[in-house]
Amino acid sequence: DQQVKQNSPSLSVQEGRISILNCDYTNSMFDYFLWYKKYPAEGPTFLISISSIKDKNEDGRFTVFLNKSAKHLSLHIVPSQPGDSAVYFCAASDPNTGNQFYFGTGTSLTVIP
Amino acid sequence: EAGVAQSPRYKIIEKRQSVAFWCNPISGHATLYWYQQILGQGPKLLIQFQNNGVVDDSQLPKDRFSAERLKGVDSTLKIQPAKLEDSAVYLCASSPDYNSPLHFGNGTRLTVT
Repeated sequence: DQQVKQNSPSLSVQEGRISILNCDYTNSMFDYFLWYKKYPAEGPTFLISISSIKDKNEDGRFTVFLNKSAKHLSLHIVPSQPGDSAVYFCAASDPNTGNQFYFGTGTSLTVIP
Repeated sequence: EAGVAQSPRYKIIEKRQSVAFWCNPISGHATLYWYQQILGQGPKLLIQFQNNGVVDDSQLPKDRFSAERLKGVDSTLKIQPAKLEDSAVYLCASSPDYNSPLHFGNGTRLTVT
């Protein structure tokens, strides 16, 4: 039962353009959402988060948007840089299960110089 | 601050053998998680500790997997006996409290032959 879904396994973007990574979820009780970035042979690194009381959170080149009615969140990277090439995971937390985090399957982003 | 430490980085064993992984979380982090990440999938929670108590182990295959958290700090995850389908990266993560981002270690890549 995949409660968090990332339907695009891969994405290629030209350097300097916008990267948009998408994530859908099924559990309406999720109240905290995160994006992680993962390089090969390393653990996931926290990137940005958003609480369900907000619909947008920005941190430098990274912005996360949350649409609760659609159960959808997205990560925008502007401008994209070659160093952003990595696998991106979205995750969501359910307060009813001890704040267990559920992860999507990841999207591999390639930024082409 | 020092990150989450895990060892070993890689382990190759034959099926039916046993194996143990070790994790040292970030100092002061009360919550510790073990995740299993099979190739091409997102991390899946195996067990969550709060200090030295178990919060959630509903997805831990308890007939072969066991985990403990010593004195609310270090943790070990054991598999005995291993099966081919246990081949995965085992990630340890910690966080200071609920609804805080998880900090991951670099993981242990287990190959069962």
